[in-house]
Amino acid sequence: ETGVTQTPRHLVMGMTNKKSLKCEQHLGHNAMYWYKQSAKKPLELMFVYNFKEQTENNSVPSRFSPECPNSSHLFLHLHTLQPEDSALYLCASSPTGAATGELFFGEGSRLTVL
Amino acid sequence: AQSVTQLDSQVPVFEEAPVELRCNYSSSVSVYLFWYVQYPNQGLQLLLKYLSGSTLVKGINGFEAEFNKSQTSFHLRKPSVHISDTAEYFCAVSIQVGSQGNLIFGKGTKLSVKP
Repeated sequence: ETGVTQTPRHLVMGMTNKKSLKCEQHLGHNAMYWYKQSAKKPLELMFVYNFKEQTENNSVPSRFSPECPNSSHLFLHLHTLQPEDSALYLCASSPTGAATGELFFGEGSRLTVL
Repeated sequence: AQSVTQLDSQVPVFEEAPVELRCNYSSSVSVYLFWYVQYPNQGLQLLLKYLSGSTLVKGINGFEAEFNKSQTSFHLRKPSVHISDTAEYFCAVSIQVGSQGNLIFGKGTKLSVKP
């Protein structure tokens, strides 16, 4: 139990569906992250939020839309995805910026796009 | 730009044998270095980190890593592995830009410990 909870753990969706991934952290951290983990590729940083403000968007396609209503919750809204978007999506948090701190990861949401 | 290279994608080893997982990085500025572990069906967990000071860093579960600035390496070692060490291991580097910094991960090394 890392203090970061992701739901759902598994999601199957069609290319025309709209769904959302949810992440909640109970650690009192101020920074939250979305990473994409695909087979045989390095983890890809997607978005960073600090104190609810987006501080990084790593050239992510607009079919991925993040939302951070407060420092404890982070969402990733998905629409009109492609099969190549199938991956494990990991949420993480840290006290502030990640440089000298430890990232605390959730268990991930496994997404399959048909 | 910073990058991380994990030279081995898979490392099979027998139980109680020593293991070394290799990591090299490239950066024109000082970096912070990390090793994370991912057990099956779980997220990543920090094993150890190097920020400054002693170049030999000890982490959880008996792992240690040595920072070698001249060789730009941060190899992970354990003198005697257990079946439970079977997992994927990720090396990561970070630089700080202003008050922010982001981790760049390697592709990972799958450690498979056999009885």
